Amino acid sequence: DGGITQSPKYLFRKEGQNVTLSCEQNLNHDAMYWYRQDPGQGLRLIYYSQIVNDFQKGDIAEGYSVSREKKESFPLTVTSAQKNPTAFYLCASSIEGGRVVGEQFFGPGTRLTVL
Amino acid sequence: GQQLNQSPQSMFIQEGEDVSMNCTSSSIFNTWLWYKQDPGEGPVLLIALYKAGELTSNGRLTAQFGITRKDSFLNISASIPSDVGIYFCAGNFNAGGTSYGKLTFGQGTILTVHP
Repeated sequence: DGGITQSPKYLFRKEGQNVTLSCEQNLNHDAMYWYRQDPGQGLRLIYYSQIVNDFQKGDIAEGYSVSREKKESFPLTVTSAQKNPTAFYLCASSIEGGRVVGEQFFGPGTRLTVL
Repeated sequence: GQQLNQSPQSMFIQEGEDVSMNCTSSSIFNTWLWYKQDPGEGPVLLIALYKAGELTSNGRLTAQFGITRKDSFLNISASIPSDVGIYFCAGNFNAGGTSYGKLTFGQGTILTVHP
């Protein structure tokens, strides 16, 4: 089945450690996105990539880094510079010229807890 | 940047009641999307709107794209227990490709349905 996978579902890290969240899609989508979700704040865009080897900062990119070496993969690294990293992280993808303009397909999310 | 104000923040209703929620924007959009998120999962698209004044239904759900292009509402009729979750509005303004697929999300409406 086509879809977006994020792993792991739950992740615990000690303060000061970098951690990388995985996002893989087999939908052949061009664009991929990372969002952060906190209670009562909706989804905030961290980074997005519209093509391989290119990505753009979103609204809250500080303390995060990404890479897009392959079309199907868009890993997110939460660095020690991120002051409040505990959150639910969602990865999404979309295709240009898709059935629904602007529609993004979301993965199941990773809940990161920094102790 | 663009901001979306979604209301109400939460709703507690009895099964069978109708529900209405809305979003207003500080700037215009040319696409409005409504998503639903089940607990611990990623959002799933419910309805997409593309033209000012457009009214679209999907089963018990009806959504409208406001005439000013700065607002949208979602109605759910005859609610059932499985309607519980968080509902998000999202807007997109595609200015010649630079914002393709980049969505701005509302804060979400948490819906609880009592049997």
